[in-house]
Amino acid sequence: EIVLTQSPGTLSLSPGERATLSCRASQPVNSNFLAWYQQKPGQAPRLLIYGASSRATGIPDRFSGSGSETDFTLSISRLAPEDLAVYYCQQYGFSPITFGGGTKVQIK
Amino acid sequence: EVQLVQSGAEVKKPGESLKISCKASGYSFTKNWIAWVRQMPGKGLEWMGIMYPGESNARYSPSFQGQVTISVDKSTSTAYLQWSSLKASDTAMYFCARNAIGSQWYFDLWGRGTLVTVSS
Repeated sequence: EIVLTQSPGTLSLSPGERATLSCRASQPVNSNFLAWYQQKPGQAPRLLIYGASSRATGIPDRFSGSGSETDFTLSISRLAPEDLAVYYCQQYGFSPITFGGGTKVQIK
Repeated sequence: EVQLVQSGAEVKKPGESLKISCKASGYSFTKNWIAWVRQMPGKGLEWMGIMYPGESNARYSPSFQGQVTISVDKSTSTAYLQWSSLKASDTAMYFCARNAIGSQWYFDLWGRGTLVTVSS
């Protein structure tokens, strides 16, 4: 199975700053089938990005995804207080589907 | 409204059986896969398995194969996750989720989750 390693574990930034989250795969992800989710406290996950770089419906353009093969990045430009959440990457190129361990974004 | 509505929280004892549900509405239930995802307290997301309502067999993560059963009832647009004998380690939040398109298993619609607590 593909193991996804997310870093850093926790990111603490001020409003307006740029957040850069990393997701590294143990082997190349087929067709860049990599998604990102946001999970706010007490809520279900919400799809942000699919296909490594395509924004889901209704997601602000502050969120962007990039990368290929084994290295993927989620960037949040102009961090806002409501971006406080845990962010997960997920690969769906191979079964079993796997998720990364998550990056917690804290707002200073 | 397009949504997945999950059944309410459960408190069970070890060894008991349980079946939780996820009712879809606002879209054609038979056109999308439905998955189940576990989140243990304070932990990350784990994919358990997935089922296409038009098929008879679910597909499971090796970690959950034989531990749970996923099923659907097309007549009521409802997916189910069941256990025959619960363990304390099954205590978790369980989410159902719909895949977005075709056979690509990323998920654009999620239920709010069902909290299962297993304690003697």
